Amino acid sequence: EAGVAQSPRYKIIEKRQSVAFWCNPISGHATLYWYQQILGQGPKLLIQFQNNGVVDDSQLPKDRFSAERLKGVDSTLKIQPAKLEDSAVYLCASSPYGEDYGYTFGSGTRLTVV
Amino acid sequence: GDSVTQMEGPVTLSEEAFLTINCTYTATGYPSLFWYVQYPGEGLQLLLKATKADDKGSNKGFEATYRKETTSFHLEKGSVQVSDSAVYFCALSVDNTDKLIFGTGTRLQVFP
Repeated sequence: EAGVAQSPRYKIIEKRQSVAFWCNPISGHATLYWYQQILGQGPKLLIQFQNNGVVDDSQLPKDRFSAERLKGVDSTLKIQPAKLEDSAVYLCASSPYGEDYGYTFGSGTRLTVV
Repeated sequence: GDSVTQMEGPVTLSEEAFLTINCTYTATGYPSLFWYVQYPGEGLQLLLKATKADDKGSNKGFEATYRKETTSFHLEKGSVQVSDSAVYFCALSVDNTDKLIFGTGTRLQVFP
């Protein structure tokens, strides 16, 4: 079984620029999550999708962050404009519908904002 | 709000030593508790879980018992190996949601 694919692996941008991250979940997994992991902290949920609908985006900074999951498969997370404090690892995870806690995480995208 | 507190690292041990990584939690509902592990360059992996009080989760020689009276879920292993070197995260999920709340992580370094 292929894992959760994320790209790019690393990204360095200047503040006020925009950036996008891509995630391809495990085939058939209905639920997709984006987490933000700042250095020295645990991951924090940004947004959760069930198929192509948003379940929870309460911690997504909507003035600069956006995410979509077209056709209920892969997903894109965008930051525009980026701030220094957005430097973090962005983790994507997926799980099958109805399977409690059956998360599979991707390896993440490390973003550095300079 | 709901939160998880882990002991700070790094934890440095010799091979075959006994491991304990402390984790305590605060939750308003009835949480499920987890340990995740992150090996260098890899994504987070579920190590073990417990969904109700007094449950013991176990995997790969690691164990943790859900202690409601002390609100704890300490991770233990009787004899660590160099290959266990990684960052370990304690996490909880409350009220049948699948949103995870993580601790800050504890780095374990095992030397031969």
